[in-house]
Amino acid sequence: AQTVTQSQPEMSVQEAETVTLSCTYDTSESDYYLFWYKQPPSRQMILVIRQEAYKQQNATENRFSVNFQKAAKSFSLKISDSQLGDAAMYFCAYRRSANNTNAGKSTFGDGTTLTVKP
Amino acid sequence: DSGVTQTPKHLITATGQRVTLRCSPRSGDLSVYWYQQSLDQGLQFLIQYYNGEERAKGNILERFSAQQFPDLHSELNLSSLELGDSALYFCASSEGPLLTYEQYFGPGTRLTVT
Repeated sequence: AQTVTQSQPEMSVQEAETVTLSCTYDTSESDYYLFWYKQPPSRQMILVIRQEAYKQQNATENRFSVNFQKAAKSFSLKISDSQLGDAAMYFCAYRRSANNTNAGKSTFGDGTTLTVKP
Repeated sequence: DSGVTQTPKHLITATGQRVTLRCSPRSGDLSVYWYQQSLDQGLQFLIQYYNGEERAKGNILERFSAQQFPDLHSELNLSSLELGDSALYFCASSEGPLLTYEQYFGPGTRLTVT
């Protein structure tokens, strides 16, 4: 079974600075997807960024980028130029690919609460 | 706004009762996913339907069941409710398991069992 571990329950960052959230996972599969989701106080789950395991290039979405280390099974999220609106809980998630049975099944980490200080 | 709608927003009921949560996916999305987010269990995947058929199953209890209808909306039925079933239940949709894995989440239904 897959597991996802977020070792930082809470993180804080000064506005305009950079912060990195950690995520490690355990799997025996070679093909899968990894995601970071943001959950602000409204509780809405918002997709931040996605990485396909077969792609070596790290995904980037504006101020958000990932450091995907497949061999180390690590998938960290870097937020640059942090803004007050980035304050939220961030979840790392693993999803099996279409080639596997139970393809849609997702596994989430416990989340990291990010505080942005003005 | 993700385009995924969930009703009701809040639900308060008593132990032993049965409730139905409803989800309408984004226009054009064929897959619907259900998730449970509780304080002690975190965010857990329950079940996925694709074009009316069950596609993937997670940690869904036998007291829970779901279905996806021909118009693609989905319902999650929770029966013999227990205090521990109190949680935020999310529905998400995607275009399809083979085309894209980008899931769009609804606003959730907060269930309180008293």
